[in-house]
Amino acid sequence: AQSVTQLGSHVSVSEGALVLLRCNYSSSVPPYLFWYVQYPNQGLQLLLKYTSAATLVKGINGFEAEFKKSETSFHLTKPSAHMSDAAEYFCAVSDRQGAQKLVFGQGTRLTINP
Amino acid sequence: DGGITQSPKYLFRKEGQNVTLSCEQNLNHDAMYWYRQDPGQGLRLIYYSQIVNDFQKGDIAEGYSVSREKKESFPLTVTSAQKNPTAFYLCASSMGITNTGELFFGEGSRLTVL
Repeated sequence: AQSVTQLGSHVSVSEGALVLLRCNYSSSVPPYLFWYVQYPNQGLQLLLKYTSAATLVKGINGFEAEFKKSETSFHLTKPSAHMSDAAEYFCAVSDRQGAQKLVFGQGTRLTINP
Repeated sequence: DGGITQSPKYLFRKEGQNVTLSCEQNLNHDAMYWYRQDPGQGLRLIYYSQIVNDFQKGDIAEGYSVSREKKESFPLTVTSAQKNPTAFYLCASSMGITNTGELFFGEGSRLTVL
């Protein structure tokens, strides 16, 4: 069975600083990996996904993530934080057997300081 | 615009009452899902349905019931048997069981039991 661990339930950065949200996964098969973003009192929106093509994946709003098989990681980064990036971010892993098997991490709340 | 509509957005109920949360999608997706979100616990799957008139239990189905009489609709009933029903409930859909795991979410329904 697959699992996801997000390191840090809260991350705080200054506006303009690098954003780094960490995600490590466990999977017995080559995984699909996802990052979702959730703004307050809203549903989740897909930021980006890895499905075994390029290991560096670019998403919306300037975010990107790199799949590192040797480290079982899929960390999310953005070079320069913007106030509008404040939200909760979820990493998720799928064993390719369908979305009903999608496993979510606990989430990381990102705060941007002016 | 295509999307998922959940209603009501906020719901207050007395302990012991059953409540039904609505979820409608116009994306022509085959699969639909219900998740429960609690602070610090990520998303947990309650029920999912891959086709009309068929649904399966997720990880935390006890105290919940669903129906799938139409492709567009997947209502969730929170019964009095659910021990701790206060939570944020998210409905999602996907194109089918063999997709990459990408989900489309509604904006959620926040249930508070008094």
